[in-house]
Amino acid sequence: DSGVTQTPKHLITATGQRVTLRCSPRSGDLSVYWYQQSLDQGLQFLIQYYNGEERAKGNILERFSAQQFPDLHSELNLSSLELGDSALYFCASSPPRPDTQYFGPGTRLTVL
Amino acid sequence: GQNIDQPTEMTATEGAIVQINCTYQTSGFNGLFWYQQHAGEAPTFLSYNVLDGLEEKGRFSSFLSRSKGYSYLLLKELQMKDSASYLCAVRDQSQKVTFGTGTKLQVIP
Repeated sequence: DSGVTQTPKHLITATGQRVTLRCSPRSGDLSVYWYQQSLDQGLQFLIQYYNGEERAKGNILERFSAQQFPDLHSELNLSSLELGDSALYFCASSPPRPDTQYFGPGTRLTVL
Repeated sequence: GQNIDQPTEMTATEGAIVQINCTYQTSGFNGLFWYQQHAGEAPTFLSYNVLDGLEEKGRFSSFLSRSKGYSYLLLKELQMKDSASYLCAVRDQSQKVTFGTGTKLQVIP
């Protein structure tokens, strides 16, 4: 158990819909990262937040957005969902000295 | 941008030693990570290198050469449970972390 929690574990929805994925980092970790992992593909970095502020941005679509709240939990919002958005979405957190990232168990999103 | 290359698949025998290589190109290197990922599970941290040299942690060691843009992960005394994907990831000065597509290691008896 990494200490990072993600909800829900599974999510099944239809094309065109909007969903919100939630992540709670480890106690004391200020950074939160979001990744997408599609079938047979590597981890794609989406976005990083540090203490409520956006720190780095990767290949995140305009239909996707994220935020980190004052209590440091983070949410990833996916809208106008397409079949190709079906993937595992991981959240990770890292301590102030970022020499590692601790991954949550992931949310498996299926878009039908 | 960043570019990371690692072999797609490797096979090794239980009890043996295996070396998984990773080459990278990045603008502004700020650390290299190795993760293990079993199918359908979250990646778990194995090692971090930011300076040249070898970092040893039990049966796992990781080496970095920044001038060559090269790293390897060395797994000793292989066990069947080591069958997994091994991900090399590079962080740049903007804190962006890029993962390679992973090396799927199969350990056979």
